[in-house]
Amino acid sequence: QVQLQESGPGLVKPSETVSLTCTVSGGSISSYYWNWIRQSAGKGLEWIGRIYSSGSTNYNPSLESRVTLSVDTSKNQFSLKLTSVTAADTAVYYCAREFTAVPHYFDYWGQGTLVTVSS
Amino acid sequence: EIVLTQSPATLSLSPGERATLSCRASQSVSSYLAWYQQKVGQAPRLLIYDASNRATGIPARFSGSGSGTDFILTISSLESEDFAVYYCQQRRNWPLTFGGGTKVEIK
Repeated sequence: QVQLQESGPGLVKPSETVSLTCTVSGGSISSYYWNWIRQSAGKGLEWIGRIYSSGSTNYNPSLESRVTLSVDTSKNQFSLKLTSVTAADTAVYYCAREFTAVPHYFDYWGQGTLVTVSS
Repeated sequence: EIVLTQSPATLSLSPGERATLSCRASQSVSSYLAWYQQKVGQAPRLLIYDASNRATGIPARFSGSGSGTDFILTISSLESEDFAVYYCQQRRNWPLTFGGGTKVEIK
């Protein structure tokens, strides 16, 4: 059974960069698309972007200028870096795997990690 | 960006009743729409994909229909574990987008 676990700082100051990592267990990170999705009270569920195991990426245009995704297949991990954060970036951040039968849907999710942006 | 509007925001029903949830897209998404269930403190769970296909392990009381801009998620007879928030999501266009959710609560 594939499991995903997010990790990273819970509290970040405005204008700083937040880095989150998702560790995949119970299966290989290879040959799948891996996504980041966030959920806030103000904007609901918001897709951030995705990365293939080869490193190719797609981003939400609303965040593209501030987001970088990367993957480390040797560690079975992928990561999110979000720069110049503001209070609007406060959210629960989920990592998720795309559904193998049909792309762009999500069948495995992490439990989510809360990131709070505050001074 | 395709906007998904879900209605109603809240649905108050009793166990055993039928639930009908709506998702309307700002432009056609063909049949490229999924439904998720989210319980408090948990990640969303994929229920239905491409409008009408149940994901693995999803009970038959959950069904989806629709195409184009109007979609329905039906729960034929609510069980206690079905009281949760439901989201729709489209994959027709980038960026992938979600609806605002419908909360199904116990009446």
